Amino acid sequence: AIQMTQSPSSLSASVGDRVTITCRASQDIAHDLGWYQQKPGTAPKLLIYAASSLQTGVPSRFSGSGSATDFTLTISSLQPEDFATYYCLQDYSYPYTFGQGTKLEIK
Amino acid sequence: QVQLQESGPGLVKPSQTLSLTCSVAGDSINSYSYYWTWIRQPAGKGLEWIGRISRTGTTKYNPSLETRLTISVDTSKKQFSLRLNSVTAADTAIYYCARAYAAGTFYLDSWGPGTRVTVSS
Repeated sequence: AIQMTQSPSSLSASVGDRVTITCRASQDIAHDLGWYQQKPGTAPKLLIYAASSLQTGVPSRFSGSGSATDFTLTISSLQPEDFATYYCLQDYSYPYTFGQGTKLEIK
Repeated sequence: QVQLQESGPGLVKPSQTLSLTCSVAGDSINSYSYYWTWIRQPAGKGLEWIGRISRTGTTKYNPSLETRLTISVDTSKKQFSLRLNSVTAADTAIYYCARAYAAGTFYLDSWGPGTRVTVSS
């Protein structure tokens, strides 16, 4: 199975900060990666698919980039509602695998 | 926006079978564009992809669960289901059902709220 390694595991930041989360795949996965946001007690929510496509309704401060083995999720200016845990998911080959998550906390 | 809702027992005894159903509001369960997916999350931990099924019944399972797992679909009832045999405490988790768009690109765009399952005697 493809291993997905996210970094950092946790991150403290302030409202207005620019934040970058990275996800590294153990092999080339082309652009087959999505990013999901999860708030406590709720299901994950799709933010980005195909590495860089913004899901309808997701604010434009979220962006994704990367290909092959290295991917990033960037939040250009953190808002209070962005404090959550973020997961990447590769859909290049079965079994699909998630990164271990990045918990974004308020500084 | 489609709505999904998980249902099933919240408590299962060790060695028994965990059975969950996901009800899908709307007609997208009949679409060839979607796969119907199960994902789980142990308390305080990350997400694990369990498996998926198409409207025609084609399945893909996580090899770590494959020997114990069955996913089925009933399009007439707009439901798909998960059965996991011989459960242990390690199967205790929140179980989510989700819709996966898989026509040309892929994403999990709709999720159920999740159902908590505890394996305990």
